[in-house]
Amino acid sequence: EIVLTQSPGTLSLSPGKRATLSCRASHIVSNTYLAWYQQKPGQAPRLLIYGASSRATGIPDRFSGSGSGTDFTLTISRLEPEDFAVYYCQLFGSSRTFGQGTKVEIK
Amino acid sequence: EVQLVQSGAEVRKPGESLKISCKGSGYTFTTYYIGWVRQMPGKGLEWMGIIWPGDSETRYSPSFQGQVTISVDKSINTAYLQWSGLKASDTAMYYCARQYCNSISCPMGYWGQGTLVTVSS
Repeated sequence: EIVLTQSPGTLSLSPGKRATLSCRASHIVSNTYLAWYQQKPGQAPRLLIYGASSRATGIPDRFSGSGSGTDFTLTISRLEPEDFAVYYCQLFGSSRTFGQGTKVEIK
Repeated sequence: EVQLVQSGAEVRKPGESLKISCKGSGYTFTTYYIGWVRQMPGKGLEWMGIIWPGDSETRYSPSFQGQVTISVDKSINTAYLQWSGLKASDTAMYYCARQYCNSISCPMGYWGQGTLVTVSS
């Protein structure tokens, strides 16, 4: 089974700064099958990015995804107050594992 | 508008059985996969399994195979997650979710509000 490892575990940044979140797969995966979600306390996850780089409907363009092979990145260009949350990457092919999450907190 | 509405919070004793539900509306229920995700208190998301409501074909994560049963009743647009013998370690929030688009390669784009299951003696 493919394992997804996210780093860092916690990212402490100020509003307006750029956030870069990493998701590394234990084996090469297709870009098609990599997604990113945001989860705020007490809420269900929200799909942000699918196919490694395509934004879901209604997702602001400050969110972008990139990467290929085993290394994928979620970038938030300028953090807004509502962006402080936990972010998960997920594979959704034959394996549908999640990464362990990165918490983006206010510095 | 696509909506997934889950059944309410449950409290059970160890060894008891439980079936929670997830009712879809605003789309053709039989043409999108529905999945279930566990989130234990203070922890991350865990993929449990997925079902195709059209023919009830189900795939489980190895971690959950044999531990839970996923099913649907397409006559009432409802998916289910059930246990036959709950353990304290089943205490968690459970989310159902529907694919964002109707391809096997699509992630989960619509989520229910979650059902909190508490198992305690």
